[in-house]
Amino acid sequence: GQSLEQPSEVTAVEGAIVQINCTYQTSGFYGLSWYQQHDGGAPTFLSYNALDGLEETGRFSSFLSRSDSYGYLLLQELQMKDSASYFCAVRSLNTNAGKSTFGDGTTLTVKP
Amino acid sequence: GAVVSQHPSWVICKSGTSVKIECRSLDFQATTMFWYRQFPKQSLMLMATSNEGSKATYEQGVEKDKFLINHASLTLSTLTVTSAHPEDSSFYICSASGGSDNSPLHFGNGTRLTVT
Repeated sequence: GQSLEQPSEVTAVEGAIVQINCTYQTSGFYGLSWYQQHDGGAPTFLSYNALDGLEETGRFSSFLSRSDSYGYLLLQELQMKDSASYFCAVRSLNTNAGKSTFGDGTTLTVKP
Repeated sequence: GAVVSQHPSWVICKSGTSVKIECRSLDFQATTMFWYRQFPKQSLMLMATSNEGSKATYEQGVEKDKFLINHASLTLSTLTVTSAHPEDSSFYICSASGGSDNSPLHFGNGTRLTVT
């Protein structure tokens, strides 16, 4: 099966940079995704890594190291609206993205 | 981008009644859709995989007779919670991939079900 670990809570101030780590265990790794979920809302896709390295999308970047079974989401120039839960999700070989296993989520609180 | 629409966004029902939730892919055809459940402050748990034209595949521990899934067309999947009980109160979210094997998941806006 699969399992993921990510911190339960992170707090940072506006304008800062925060990194949310995710370690995973899976057989047949295919890719690691990141999703953002605001209170009461549905998750929205942020980023996806299938290969080692950094993927940058605006203020958000995601990194993957397959040899370390580790990835992180980097949020720069934090804004109040970034306060949300962030989930990493791992997808295994021969499965649709919908079969991804989600971590328990990291609640990010951005303070003024 | 891929858009998934879910209806209703919230519903309150009495114990013993059934509730149907619809999930539509608006700008792509989804042969496979996924139903998740999320309790407050917890992660998303996959309940079942909805396959167009065939039976749904349920995850271990999910009662298929209680959570009826129908995927009659390439753009619509429905989840019916039958004989609902207060413990079924949760946030139900459907999702679909954008079409290709590498596409990420796109989620509907979710349905908050409260059973009284």
